[in-house]
Amino acid sequence: QPVLTQPPSASGTPGQRVTISCSGSNSNIEVNTVNWYQQLPGTAPKLLIYSNNLRPSGVPERFSGSKSGTSASLAISGLQSEDEADYYCASWDDSLDGPVFGGGTKLTVL
Amino acid sequence: QLQLQESGPGLLKPSETLSLACTVSGDSVSNTNHCWGWIRQPPGKGLEWIGSFYYGGSSSYNPSLKSRVTKSVDTAKNQFSLKLSSVTAADTAVYYCVAIFGGYDAFDIWGQGTMVTVSS
Repeated sequence: QPVLTQPPSASGTPGQRVTISCSGSNSNIEVNTVNWYQQLPGTAPKLLIYSNNLRPSGVPERFSGSKSGTSASLAISGLQSEDEADYYCASWDDSLDGPVFGGGTKLTVL
Repeated sequence: QLQLQESGPGLLKPSETLSLACTVSGDSVSNTNHCWGWIRQPPGKGLEWIGSFYYGGSSSYNPSLKSRVTKSVDTAKNQFSLKLSSVTAADTAVYYCVAIFGGYDAFDIWGQGTMVTVSS
């Protein structure tokens, strides 16, 4: 059972803005930063957002992250067909003394 | 640019020990600035952290796996390795080696992954 909770699926049409939520607790998200990973079909995950809302070099500006309390969100604006992927949130957990992940959200571009 | 490449047995039987190696290219495994680790993903499921370490420094392991995990480093081959003992079908997964490399405080480098199946 994943420590962080994400909706199993999300969808949107091209050009739309979609958000994916990630819920945690006072041992992880509330007190540590959140990272987001994108996993395209058949490939390894790729770091998309780190430290709640920062983008690694090469990640488009239409990907953004936010955090409030024990929850975090990933927003994708100007949705494109190539954004169809699984998205995972992650955060350090002080009880586990290691990183924990959400169960993943499968994004479908209609 | 740092690259990681996993190698493993593919198939093993229950109760055997899984041995995985991760070959590092583009930097040295003994670079103390980087964190090295392993993450796995059962078929159709999410990601699970196995463990991670700094060369010559601290190591951390998932408590649910800690008693079965051993890590080692071979600087001559520029590799780090994972051994997972007493495997069961529940250990069937794609195993990724990962690194915190670019100063992002997150696993920003991933190997392509290697599928490990445990079956009699």
